[in-house]
Amino acid sequence: EVQLVQSGAEVKKPGESLKISCKGSGDTFTNYWIGWVRQMPGKGLEWMGIISPADSDIRYSPSFQGQVTFSADKSISTAYLQWSSLKASDTAMYYCARLGDGYNYGYWGQGTLVTVSS
Amino acid sequence: QSALTQPRSVSGSPGQSVTISCTGTSSDVGAYNYVSWYQQHPGKAPKLMIYDVTKRPSGVPDRFSGSKSGNTASLTISGLQAEDEADYYCCSYAGSYIVVFGGGTKLTVL
Repeated sequence: EVQLVQSGAEVKKPGESLKISCKGSGDTFTNYWIGWVRQMPGKGLEWMGIISPADSDIRYSPSFQGQVTFSADKSISTAYLQWSSLKASDTAMYYCARLGDGYNYGYWGQGTLVTVSS
Repeated sequence: QSALTQPRSVSGSPGQSVTISCTGTSSDVGAYNYVSWYQQHPGKAPKLMIYDVTKRPSGVPDRFSGSKSGNTASLTISGLQAEDEADYYCCSYAGSYIVVFGGGTKLTVL
């Protein structure tokens, strides 16, 4: 069974850094791109970008370029999303999801809630 | 890329059919047959319901169907059931691995 398991909820202060994770299992992790999706409180889904765990090729949404950094460690089947300096507006649920054929996301992590507050 | 346009809300009674529209542009919905639809219940992760405009993943009831005409895609849910009450998001490929989501539609089963 394919599973994506994300790291737990985080509470941070503005200006702090953060790295959250998404660990895959049940399939060959390097065979599929991993996407990141933001959902701000009470709002819709926003596509942030995508990374290939095989070679760390990355595509950022223009809206998130320069705001976040994707990385992956294929040896432990894990993708990461990180911020160098959090803002209150980064408060949201963040999902990782596996890209299937046809640019759809058939498998999702459970989400990581990030709260940024002074 | 701008978000795809969906109605904020739709509603229907049990047993009825509802259709949710998703309007994009000739650069996304109109350009590719890679439209997908996701169901999200409160507090849960999204679930893929339709992909490649019309295909259903294994386990998704055939009450759910998708279509596309020009720059507008649609999700139709027939024989509405109480458990169908959720938020629904369309999503379209827009080239270069980029996808764009719709703003979401809240389905209420009356």
